[in-house]
Amino acid sequence: EAAVTQSPRSKVAVTGGKVTLSCHQTNNHDYMYWYRQDTGHGLRLIHYSYVADSTEKGDIPDGYKASRPSQENFSLILELASLSQTAVYFCASSDPGANTGQLYFGEGSKLTVL
Amino acid sequence: GQQVKQSSPSLTVQEGGISILNCDYENDMFDYFAWYKKYPDNSPTLLISVRSNVDKREDGRLTVFLNKSGKHFSLHITASQPEDTAVYLCAAGENQGGSAKLIFGEGTKLTVSS
Repeated sequence: EAAVTQSPRSKVAVTGGKVTLSCHQTNNHDYMYWYRQDTGHGLRLIHYSYVADSTEKGDIPDGYKASRPSQENFSLILELASLSQTAVYFCASSDPGANTGQLYFGEGSKLTVL
Repeated sequence: GQQVKQSSPSLTVQEGGISILNCDYENDMFDYFAWYKKYPDNSPTLLISVRSNVDKREDGRLTVFLNKSGKHFSLHITASQPEDTAVYLCAAGENQGGSAKLIFGEGTKLTVSS
């Protein structure tokens, strides 16, 4: 069974609208991440979190907020969606205790902003 | 600028041949290097990773070579098979205390033709 699940898997939003992407993990991992994938850019880190109730800015945080209300849940919030935020978004988790550096990804959420 | 770069967006190899995927990075502080595999509409999964204290790691048909002085690492896949057809993402980062704040390359689409 999937250990990192994202919802919704696909969403169409209007420009200026609010979008919330949710991520839930059952890996018991402390670290969680949000990446976006665009053609020609690979995966780019938006926000990440080391512990519940705390988030950090990644490489491209502008236009996004993040929320980590519990160890299991990590949300990405687009307060005012824009056309440029059309992308596939991936959530991931990792276990610092394992010291492997491995990321476990969710299935992705395809966001289209019109 | 792009901290981790894959200069070849695509590569085609004959079945049974050796696939060589390349990745360059900029940050001298990076000490963790990984290759992820991604099928269309699926999430990335870790193939193999190395730390900076080794310059080579083998795992079955996969070998990662790390050239720290040249800020370059590569993935070699021997006896390439059609099921190896996928997008390969290289990633690098500073593995601080088990954290995996990875920077990904743009990806190389590998096609293994039969």
